[in-house]
Amino acid sequence: RKEVEQDPGPFNVPEGATVAFNCTYSNSASQSFFWYRQDCRKEPKLLMSVYSSGNEDGRFTAQLNRASQYISLLIRDSKLSDSATYLCAAPWGGATNKLIFGTGTLLAVQP
Amino acid sequence: DGGITQSPKYLFRKEGQNVTLSCEQNLNHDAMYWYRQDPGQGLRLIYYSQIVNDFQKGDIAEGYSVSREKKESFPLTVTSAQKNPTAFYLCASKDTFLEGYTFGSGTRLTVV
Repeated sequence: RKEVEQDPGPFNVPEGATVAFNCTYSNSASQSFFWYRQDCRKEPKLLMSVYSSGNEDGRFTAQLNRASQYISLLIRDSKLSDSATYLCAAPWGGATNKLIFGTGTLLAVQP
Repeated sequence: DGGITQSPKYLFRKEGQNVTLSCEQNLNHDAMYWYRQDPGQGLRLIYYSQIVNDFQKGDIAEGYSVSREKKESFPLTVTSAQKNPTAFYLCASKDTFLEGYTFGSGTRLTVV
């Protein structure tokens, strides 16, 4: 099993839809996780951090499910500008200073 | 404004040539990282450094070398031993107490 695994998509959704991505991780000792957004041919930018209590920022909600070892990202009321690749990241081997990234999930929001 | 600067943005390498990618940060971050991104493979860690004059190999260090002589700078050399260097190279840094990385804008390396 890969350390961090994501469905590559693409997820094609209409504007206004709610979409959710999951990301599974293999190291049960990991405490914190991250969602990054990456636009085409650009660098990843931190979207949200995820801890045991989850996190919400406007239309975006991130949750952690320790029992099943996955994190989720929920986007409500999708906008055209949300179209991007969403990468999840987890500490590598439990050490918080190194992150291992999933391959990313491509979201395409359609008008 | 504080941030990470990578240069050049685009780089072309001839077969058998070494090239060096620059990464400079003025965020006063201790830790710095180099990742490589290929289509469909996500980000893979090449090298990282937690403090000045110390660095560790990541998952795919073969064919690469780094140095960390200053806190602000973490250059990556792609040597001729790296047989498939064409990729998008990303440098990142991290504050000791804050989670998550800050990335530079990347260098796109192509072998010609």
